[in-house]
Amino acid sequence: GQSLEQPSEVTAVEGAIVQINCTYQTSGFYGLSWYQQHDGGAPTFLSYNGLDGLEETGRFSSFLSRSDSYGYLLLQELQMKDSASYFCAVKDTNAGKSTFGDGTTLTVKP
Amino acid sequence: NAGVTQTPKFRVLKTGQSMTLLCAQDMNHEYMYWYRQDPGMGLRLIHYSVGEGTTAKGEVPDGYNVSRLKKQNFLLGLESAAPSQTSVYFCASSYPKTGDGYTFGSGTRLTVV
Repeated sequence: GQSLEQPSEVTAVEGAIVQINCTYQTSGFYGLSWYQQHDGGAPTFLSYNGLDGLEETGRFSSFLSRSDSYGYLLLQELQMKDSASYFCAVKDTNAGKSTFGDGTTLTVKP
Repeated sequence: NAGVTQTPKFRVLKTGQSMTLLCAQDMNHEYMYWYRQDPGMGLRLIHYSVGEGTTAKGEVPDGYNVSRLKKQNFLLGLESAAPSQTSVYFCASSYPKTGDGYTFGSGTRLTVV
């Protein structure tokens, strides 16, 4: 089976940096993805790590350590619009299906 | 470019009724998925398809059936709805490349009373 752990809530102030961690236990692993979901909306894809290391996309970066079964999403220069839920997801087979964590609700305060 | 379109957006069913949720994508994606999301939780995979004419069970398939007769469409059926199936249902699609993320539809909010 698959199991992903991420914090349920994180709060930060505008302009700050926040890190959302994700640890996983899976029977198979191809990569770790991150998604953003605003309240009532559809999840949107942010990033993917198939290999160890850091991937950077604008203000967002994602890191993976396969040996530690651990990854994180780093959000820099936080803006109010970044208030949302963030999900890590393990892609566990070449069929592309993913198992999602329960999500981290990020609240950005002025 | 519509992406992934789900219909209907909202539906209220009585226990025991049946319905079909439609997902259509115009991106020529091979893979399609149905997830459900309950309040405060992540997405749980119901069924998925890796190509036209193929389907497979996900994590929570009981009470649901699917069909993928055309590459662009993926249908989710509830034969006899139960209150436990009250949820938000998301369809998603993707290319086979492992680095590609999912494109999600806007969801169907289903209430079973």
